[in-house]
Amino acid sequence: AQSVTQLGSHVSVSEGALVLLRCNYSSSVPPYLFWYVQYPNQGLQLLLKYTTGATLVKGINGFEAEFKKSETSFHLTKPSAHMSDAAEYFCAVSDRSYNTDKLIFGTGTRLQVFP
Amino acid sequence: ETGVTQSPTHLIKTRGQQVTLRCSSQSGHNTVSWYQQALGQGPQFIFQYYREEENGRGNFPPRFSGLQFPNYSSELNVNALELDDSALYLCASSLPGSYEQYFGPGTRLTVT
Repeated sequence: AQSVTQLGSHVSVSEGALVLLRCNYSSSVPPYLFWYVQYPNQGLQLLLKYTTGATLVKGINGFEAEFKKSETSFHLTKPSAHMSDAAEYFCAVSDRSYNTDKLIFGTGTRLQVFP
Repeated sequence: ETGVTQSPTHLIKTRGQQVTLRCSSQSGHNTVSWYQQALGQGPQFIFQYYREEENGRGNFPPRFSGLQFPNYSSELNVNALELDDSALYLCASSLPGSYEQYFGPGTRLTVT
């Protein structure tokens, strides 16, 4: 069965600093991986996805993630944090078993950005 | 292009009552999935509907049920509400096989 683990429930960075949010996955088939962002009292917005092809994936708002099969990781990075990046971030893997395409989410990482 | 919409935004129910939540999918998306997000947790898959049929279900009891209509909109019904049903309920729509799910803003349900 597919699963994801997000290391660190809270991450704090200064504005302008590197953002690194960690995600490790477990999958019995080649994984489809996603990062979503959730702002307070809102739904989820897709940041980026990896399905096949290039392992470095670029998303919206300057975020990118690298799929590393050998490390079963899909960490999310942004070179320079902005105050508006403060939100909850969820890593997810697509479970495509039994003809159902559902997302399995991690527990989330809350990103705080300090001025 | 209209995104995924959900109604109501918030509601408060009493334990034992029944509730219906509604979702309109993004234009052209014929697959709708429902997720429950408890406070401080990631979303948990409830079930998925495709062409008006349930197309997979997560680990939720039968008192969680759903419908999908010919226009692809969907309802989530929860009977015999329990306190633990308090959560944000998210609807997501997608095209079959696209693997990208587009989420609505959610409905915040509080059970007292």
